[in-house]
Amino acid sequence: GQNIDQPTEMTATEGAIVQINCTYQTSGFNGLFWYQQHAGEAPTFLSYNVLDGLEEKGRFSSFLSRSKGYSYLLLKELQMKDSASYLCALFRGYALNFGKGTSLLVTP
Amino acid sequence: DTEVTQTPKHLVMGMTNKKSLKCEQHMGHRAMYWYKQKAKKPPELMFVYSYEKLSINESVPSRFSPECPNSSLLNLHLHALQPEDSALYLCASSQSGDHTDTQYFGPGTRLTVL
Repeated sequence: GQNIDQPTEMTATEGAIVQINCTYQTSGFNGLFWYQQHAGEAPTFLSYNVLDGLEEKGRFSSFLSRSKGYSYLLLKELQMKDSASYLCALFRGYALNFGKGTSLLVTP
Repeated sequence: DTEVTQTPKHLVMGMTNKKSLKCEQHMGHRAMYWYKQKAKKPPELMFVYSYEKLSINESVPSRFSPECPNSSLLNLHLHALQPEDSALYLCASSQSGDHTDTQYFGPGTRLTVL
């Protein structure tokens, strides 16, 4: 994860929208994944980008710009259960290379 | 069904013990992975099996020995571990290992080495 940067922590209010950014310093990857991980649980798949642009899946959307080395995960209509760690991961060659994750706290 | 199961959920072992972690999936996936995750760190890849053959070993010490008895099962044999090996061990699987395939993770085995 040394080439993938995410903010360590974020706080947002229930019902709001939050954007979690991910920047990376490599050009050689096949796709970019976003996973959600609750404390002590397995990562669960949220979204995936191969091409530049926006991918929307319900309350979650992910954006990729390869030229800018940048992705973000957008969470809408935040719920308390969205409090978790959000992991940005690059698929390179054969497996996922994870960033350090962003710990999101949703407050009432 | 997108379930990957892992047993045991928790394991405590001494440095001289031999134990095994087990992972199972029935989604017909042909790629399976072992990741290690330390507290407050992201998962780190250990091994990749593709079509029941070990395709990637990320320079993991030999005290960790993976085994893929068939396309649904993945084991991780542990021997002479160190306390620093204490971590959450995650198994994952994907359709064929291609970059377009989503990796599905099991709940993990939380390992403590005394």
